[in-house]
Amino acid sequence: EDQVTQSPEALRLQEGESSSLNCSYTVSGLRGLFWYRQDPGKGPEFLFTLYSAGEEKEKERLKATLTKKESFLHITAPKPEDSATYLCAVQLSNSGYALNFGKGTSLLVTP
Amino acid sequence: EADIYQTPRYLVIGTGKKITLECSQTMGHDKMYWYQQDPGMELHLIHYSYGVNSTEKGDLSSESTVSRIRTEHFPLTLESARPSHTSQYLCASSESGGTYEQYFGPGTRLTVT
Repeated sequence: EDQVTQSPEALRLQEGESSSLNCSYTVSGLRGLFWYRQDPGKGPEFLFTLYSAGEEKEKERLKATLTKKESFLHITAPKPEDSATYLCAVQLSNSGYALNFGKGTSLLVTP
Repeated sequence: EADIYQTPRYLVIGTGKKITLECSQTMGHDKMYWYQQDPGMELHLIHYSYGVNSTEKGDLSSESTVSRIRTEHFPLTLESARPSHTSQYLCASSESGGTYEQYFGPGTRLTVT
């Protein structure tokens, strides 16, 4: 059964304290892996797409990496405005264009 | 500005009422999706459409129905709302070729009393 597991479920960081969020997946035929940010009461905001192992993408304080089994979202020197839930999703090459989401990591960055 | 819109943002309605959640996008995307999200849980796909007059059910069983008469419009209808339908409903769209990321609307928070 295809699965997407995110860890930790919740993470509390001090401002400036770098860390990483994990997304592990057990799927057959990965077309792409996606990272989204979701603020309370809002829809997910697209961050990155990764297509193949070894690929990396960066945006401001965020950097996403991909291996054959997992993806990491590295947050460097976070600020309070980075507080949100970060969602990981996979798209399978043999099942259309739908996204299979993990439950997310809730990140709180305190001043 | 190209965007995806959902109305209403919040809806409280009594059991048995018929409701339609609206979703429109101005990005010219062929593909559109409806997801359901409960607090602390993952998003689940309930309907999708790859073009006009094309609709399919997603992985999560839902009593709702959808239609796609125009490219930019993808409404979701509940014929008879029940408390079990209380949830957040998120609409998304994606383009046909190239990259596959989906862009989401702000969501509709539905409460059925």
